[in-house]
Amino acid sequence: GENVEQHPSTLSVQEGDSAVIKCTYSDSASNYFPWYKQELGKRPQLIIDIRSNVGEKKDQRIAVTLNKTAKHFSLHITETQPEDSAVYFCAAPGSGTYKYIFGTGTRLKVLA
Amino acid sequence: KAGVTQTPRYLIKTRGQQVTLSCSPISGHRSVSWYQQTPGQGLQFLFEYFSETQRNKGNFPGRFSGRQFSNSRSEMNVSTLELGDSALYLCASSLSGDTGELFFGEGSRLTVL
Repeated sequence: GENVEQHPSTLSVQEGDSAVIKCTYSDSASNYFPWYKQELGKRPQLIIDIRSNVGEKKDQRIAVTLNKTAKHFSLHITETQPEDSAVYFCAAPGSGTYKYIFGTGTRLKVLA
Repeated sequence: KAGVTQTPRYLIKTRGQQVTLSCSPISGHRSVSWYQQTPGQGLQFLFEYFSETQRNKGNFPGRFSGRQFSNSRSEMNVSTLELGDSALYLCASSLSGDTGELFFGEGSRLTVL
C-alpha cells in the first residue's frame, strides 16, 4: 500500500547547526516530493519540492535530496535559526493521483 | 490575491451531531482537497474535488462527505460525529490538483464532546 515514513519525530539542534529529516516512500511511481513547514498555530506552507528527474535541489539554507533507487528523500537545513522551529512534513503523491500522502511530521526545535 | 479561507475556524459539537465546514479557494484554483490533521497522525487525505467532481477519496468512513460548487468553493460534512473526529480540518487549493503546490487554509478546529 501507499505509505510515507518520516524520521525523526522530534529533533533538537543548537542554533547554527544543521538539521536533517528523512522520508521513505513506497510507491515507485511517485514523481514529486514536497516539503511543508507548519509553524505553531499556522497553516502548512510549501518550503521546497523536488521532482524525480533531479537528485538535489537547493534554496538558500534548505536543500532536498532524492534517492529514487532507495525510495527516500531528505530535507537538509543548514545554519539553523530560531525561526526554523516548526513541524516539517514530507509528502509524496498517493495512488490514483490528485492526492498526497504525508509523513507524520518532525517537530524541529532550534535552541538559541 | 486572497488566500484560502476556511469557516468556521473553531467549533464545538457533541457526539451524534453533524457539522459542515466551508472552504473558499484562491481565485482561479479549481482543485480543492481536504485533509484531517491530528497529533501524531500528520495530515490524512479525505477527498479532492475538481470542477464539482470528486476525483479521489481517502480511507474515511461514509460519514465524511464533501462537495464542490461551480465557483470552486467546497464544503465537507461529517455526520453522526464521534469523539475521534476531533481534529483540525485543513482545506487546500491548487490550480489543477496534479503535482504542484498546495495552498492551505488555516483550518477548522473541530472539538467533539
